[in-house]
Amino acid sequence: NAGVTQTPKFQVLKTGQSMTLQCAQDMNHNSMYWYRQDPGMGLRLIYYSASEGTTDKGEVPNGYNVSRLNKREFSLRLESAAPSQTSVYFCASSERDRKETQYFGPGTRLLVL
Amino acid sequence: AQSVSQHNHHVILSEAASLELGCNYSYGGTVNLFWYVQYPGQHLQLLLKYFSGDPLVKGIKGFEAEFIKSKFSFNLRKPSVQWSDTAEYFCAAYSGTYKYIFGTGTRLKVLA
Repeated sequence: NAGVTQTPKFQVLKTGQSMTLQCAQDMNHNSMYWYRQDPGMGLRLIYYSASEGTTDKGEVPNGYNVSRLNKREFSLRLESAAPSQTSVYFCASSERDRKETQYFGPGTRLLVL
Repeated sequence: AQSVSQHNHHVILSEAASLELGCNYSYGGTVNLFWYVQYPGQHLQLLLKYFSGDPLVKGIKGFEAEFIKSKFSFNLRKPSVQWSDTAEYFCAAYSGTYKYIFGTGTRLKVLA
């Protein structure tokens, strides 16, 4: 049981480049989330998906898009990376909805030059 | 605006010292409260949670937290810390409005 997995672990981009962060969970959870973690700001929700086929914006969605490919996978796309998107990105999942315990992936460190 | 505040950003303690990390939230009404921990190089994991019932909740590794509704607080405590407790601790709150808010985190360093 791998839990929540994320790829890549580390990425360096140039301003304007695009990339997709992948997330998968094997716990049969309905809900999945993308957060960014910045020093002194805690974790901020970018997007979430309450169930397969649905996605909703969180606190900081600008500059990002998401796809809930199936129940297991939830990807985050940066269409045109900016230095302000330098951060650590965490994917998480929970069994039913957001009040449940969330299980986190190991994170992706992204540096945008 | 709804928020979760952790007032201690960095805490340094010696082994065997007692720990209390503050957490205050600004939601009204029913709220679910969590403490997560992130050990160095690892991902966040649940330490403990409060949904209802006994306001004193016990979590893993000897941690406990007390929900005080009148003070909008959910402080984390441990009577005697160990070097292995060195980590970053996040308080989080969820209300029925689909908002799950994390605090800014407290970095705890325990000196051996």
